[in-house]
Amino acid sequence: GAGVSQSPRYKVTKRGQDVALRCDPISGHVSLYWYRQALGQGPEFLTYFNYEAQQDKSGLPNDRFSAERPEGSISTLTIQRTEQRDSAMYRCASSLLGGLAEEGPYNEQFFGPGTRLTVL
Amino acid sequence: GQSLEQPSEVTAVEGAIVQINCTYQTSGFYGLSWYQQHDGGAPTFLSYNALDGLEETGRFSSFLSRSDSYGYLLLQELQMKDSASYFCAVEDSNYQLIWGAGTKLIIKP
Repeated sequence: GAGVSQSPRYKVTKRGQDVALRCDPISGHVSLYWYRQALGQGPEFLTYFNYEAQQDKSGLPNDRFSAERPEGSISTLTIQRTEQRDSAMYRCASSLLGGLAEEGPYNEQFFGPGTRLTVL
Repeated sequence: GQSLEQPSEVTAVEGAIVQINCTYQTSGFYGLSWYQQHDGGAPTFLSYNALDGLEETGRFSSFLSRSDSYGYLLLQELQMKDSASYFCAVEDSNYQLIWGAGTKLIIKP
């Protein structure tokens, strides 16, 4: 597609429910990143993938959070047994060349519009 | 730990020049990026410095000094549409972007 898309744009759920957030990156982009952004703060890294392989999940807050990218394109971030503290904007970004920044092109990230999650 | 420091807010006048500083302490360093984010919008890429020196892109320039772990974003001929938050972000040894908390730029006519 022309840009990164995310769905749903808004999600309201009750505490204890599971939610799945979807990200569709720019076609052909190797890397896909998940962030969480609180109001007035910078994006907080959660996890990222190169192709279908999860490279780093050190930013996931706890084991209720998981992510997958089974075919190296669309990714899903799943939050199980949601809690009110999970309420935030969840952003996805993709980049063309992944971790190949040492020489040559850099790792510019293109962000999607985000999913605003509200847990009641 | 890893940290980036940038001012929380900067105010400038339309047509003026403003500099937003960023100092960093990270495990590994591949480059310093700057992103712009308007209220309610997604971050968008502005510039990237991997080597020391100044990179210029139109009205925006970005500078890096790796020995000082310091960089800045320079915005010239400010326009009202430049009112936004500006984030510096360091690409660390794990190819992650570590983000600052952002600088809110307020432009007055």
